[in-house]
Amino acid sequence: QQQVKQSPQSLIVQKGGISIINCAYENTAFDYFPWYQQFPGKGPALLIAIRPDVSEKKEGRFTISFNKSAKQFSLHIMDSQPGDSATYFCAASVGRAGSYQLTFGKGTKLSVIP
Amino acid sequence: EADIYQTPRYLVIGTGKKITLECSQTMGHDKMYWYQQDPGMELHLIHYSYGVNSTEKGDLSSESTVSRIRTEHFPLTLESARPSHTSQYLCASRSSSGQGNEQFFGPGTRLTVL
Repeated sequence: QQQVKQSPQSLIVQKGGISIINCAYENTAFDYFPWYQQFPGKGPALLIAIRPDVSEKKEGRFTISFNKSAKQFSLHIMDSQPGDSATYFCAASVGRAGSYQLTFGKGTKLSVIP
Repeated sequence: EADIYQTPRYLVIGTGKKITLECSQTMGHDKMYWYQQDPGMELHLIHYSYGVNSTEKGDLSSESTVSRIRTEHFPLTLESARPSHTSQYLCASRSSSGQGNEQFFGPGTRLTVL
């Protein structure tokens, strides 16, 4: 049973466009939702993260939108650039009451074309 | 410079060989993790440690073993490698202090067993 479902599997966006990646979770005990960015041959790196007490968090061109009632969260990349081409993973973990172990989605391969 | 290191980066080895994948971090983190990632797929937790002499198995069953004798070092060992062990292995660490849940990842070891 996959606890974090991510879509789409792949995404092609033109330079300057908006990239949107969606994730849904099942475990209501999750209380930390990070997005990781992974370039080929590299380990994942934290991009942005949110906790369920806020509905949106923005850092530069990257925004997380969080809908607690729907158990969904999404990553929006504004003004997408070719350098954003990478695989993006959403994740979730149980924090204070749990072990902080991350459960990852299957990933979205983003290609930003000039 | 505080970082997390993995060696070797690439390893091609024959069936039946014993291998050890090295992971070291210089950030003083007490929590360390090993993930297995097939190409283009999600990360699966196979081992974790909350400190020296503490090791636990993750969600994905693995024939590998780990040890944590020093805070900064978390090696993974396969006693007898098989083709089914071919994958990328990612090491990560995080701090217990503060509010942050961020896991820092190493660059990974890509293992091929012939």
